[in-house]
Amino acid sequence: SAVISQKPSRDICQRGTSLTIQCQVDSQVTMMFWYRQQPGQSLTLIATANQGSEATYESGFVIDKFPISRPNLTFSTLTVSNMSPEDSSIYLCSVEGGKGQGEYEQYFGPGTRLTVT
Amino acid sequence: GENVEQHPSTLSVQEGDSAVIKCTYSDSASNYFPWYKQELGKRPQLIIDIRSNVGEKKDQRIAVTLNKTAKHFSLHITETQPEDSAVYFCAASITGGFKTIFGAGTRLFVKA
Repeated sequence: SAVISQKPSRDICQRGTSLTIQCQVDSQVTMMFWYRQQPGQSLTLIATANQGSEATYESGFVIDKFPISRPNLTFSTLTVSNMSPEDSSIYLCSVEGGKGQGEYEQYFGPGTRLTVT
Repeated sequence: GENVEQHPSTLSVQEGDSAVIKCTYSDSASNYFPWYKQELGKRPQLIIDIRSNVGEKKDQRIAVTLNKTAKHFSLHITETQPEDSAVYFCAASITGGFKTIFGAGTRLFVKA
């Protein structure tokens, strides 16, 4: 299993500013995933972060807007840059962890609730 | 890339009735199909999953079926209770560090 923590849990930010969200996992993982969940919507994958290489972004998401760092196997950050009200969402960090017998499960952090005014 | 469609978007049932949520996926390489329950203000929690080498899996009141040929999988909740009320997401992925794609979600209301 994997226990994930995120900081901050929530924030209210002014448009035009940037916020960096931290994700810490209690075990080493190869890949970390960043999702966005807009109000009342499903989870949309922003990017996949590998340690030692650049993140892989999904269609509609770009590095300039959502720069990601992955300095080691237990930590990652997602920055939401030059924020606008449309960036108001919950941002979730996720990892895939083993649950025994060669099986895997995806674990989610508690999320960061971002409100942009 | 993978695309997951989920129906219905909203489902209202009477307590004790069954609820069925259906999903389809597009990538035949997907081999892992989890279902998540998300209560208001909380993170998604895995409730059951199924792998492509299995056609059906059951855990108490919850069951999932998979039809690989048709690329369909479904969640069945029997004897529903008010605490089953939540948003349910299906998802599809390839295990081994690959990304998971989520369906749009089903908001389930169980009326007492």
